[in-house]
Amino acid sequence: DAKTTQPTSMDCAEGRAANLPCNHSTISGNEYVYWYRQIHSQGPQYIIHGLKNNETNEMASLIITEDRKSSTLILPHATLRDTAVYYCIVKPGGGADGLTFGKGTHLIIQP
Amino acid sequence: EAGVVQSPRYKIIEKKQPVAFWCNPISGHNTLYWYLQNLGQGPELLIRYENEEAVDDSQLPKDRFSAERLKGVDSTLKIQPAELGDSAVYLCASSLGGANANEQFFGPGTRLTVL
Repeated sequence: DAKTTQPTSMDCAEGRAANLPCNHSTISGNEYVYWYRQIHSQGPQYIIHGLKNNETNEMASLIITEDRKSSTLILPHATLRDTAVYYCIVKPGGGADGLTFGKGTHLIIQP
Repeated sequence: EAGVVQSPRYKIIEKKQPVAFWCNPISGHNTLYWYLQNLGQGPELLIRYENEEAVDDSQLPKDRFSAERLKGVDSTLKIQPAELGDSAVYLCASSLGGANANEQFFGPGTRLTVL
């Protein structure tokens, strides 16, 4: 799987949009971008995934650059419960392969 | 709908002792995964099952680790004997598999401490 690069940590004020960047400059044409998050003492939780078009669901939006070398996860109105480690992962879509996690970004929402 | 169930949630053992972790995936999920997560790191895949078949166990340390999913439903991961370096969180996940495997559902994990 292609590797991803994320900032180690980020802060965001409660109620503001949290924008989490991810670099995946070696992504292959058949690889999707997945985002998971892990709240303290819990297992990871799926957030969203996409191939090349921007995606939105009830949790977040995913913006993928046209060259697909980077992406941004957007939490539109961050709450304290969004404090977690966020992982950006690239892998072929639709397959049941295991996920390759990096260290992720520790997002801290400040009251 | 019940999520992925793991037990025990916590386990403390002395080195050289055996230990086993149990996982019950979401009903209907054919694919089951075991991950290991060291402190401050992301999870690492140990083994993946498609029904009862282990289709990817390349990262499983087979000298001391073993796993089984005999009836293609619940699964057990065993370590024998445990070493100090095995202290970690052991996560189980499941997915529908195949073309519908985009989302993996994780259990809360078992935190193992080896003394």
